[in-house]
Amino acid sequence: SQQGEEDPQALSIQEGENATMNCSYKTSINNLQWYRQNSGRGLVHLILIRSNEREKHSGRLRVTLDTSKKSSSLLITASRAADTASYFCATDAGGGSNYKLTFGKGTLLTVNP
Amino acid sequence: NAGVMQNPRHLVRRRGQEARLRCSPMKGHSHVYWYRQLPEEGLKFMVYLQKENIIDESGMPKERFSAEFPKEGPSILRIQQVVRGDSAAYFCASSPRGANQPQHFGDGTRLSIL
Repeated sequence: SQQGEEDPQALSIQEGENATMNCSYKTSINNLQWYRQNSGRGLVHLILIRSNEREKHSGRLRVTLDTSKKSSSLLITASRAADTASYFCATDAGGGSNYKLTFGKGTLLTVNP
Repeated sequence: NAGVMQNPRHLVRRRGQEARLRCSPMKGHSHVYWYRQLPEEGLKFMVYLQKENIIDESGMPKERFSAEFPKEGPSILRIQQVVRGDSAAYFCASSPRGANQPQHFGDGTRLSIL
């Protein structure tokens, strides 16, 4: 499998519920980022978590990072219809190439009103 | 709007023609990245540039593709003699520094090859 794989591939929930998406990666990283992409648009940066951090919050977003398991999760609480989008995790290449982001195929989140 | 600006948003070319995609980074950003996204795929890194320099082009095909970021003006991704397989969305991103930074993305150029 490739660096930065998200699961599930698709997730459908009702407004107000929480959504959890997971990301696994294979090689050492300096940081991990989560992005959102609305259909036909570019990616919007959500949160960056460094390899020495375990948890980070931003508004309704909570990101965890477990470097021993090489995995991360993104939790969106109290979801809204406007949260409908694809969510991608991105890992850097580590070392001297930590500008180079590798994206997974994403999780398509649908929040039903 | 001080975001990353890409144009055109949509570009249609016939096989064998040239495609030029332009990207103006956010104000104050001197680091530019190009990515390609195929349908239902994640973004794939192509090239990383700073003003007048190509830092890393390891993700770019060796033939037909080139990129530049001149001292003045936007960054340009150029695809010569396009083929059907070049059809994709091409995204540009920028950052103020090159390492450990969130990257700010434009809305992309959708390239279609007839």
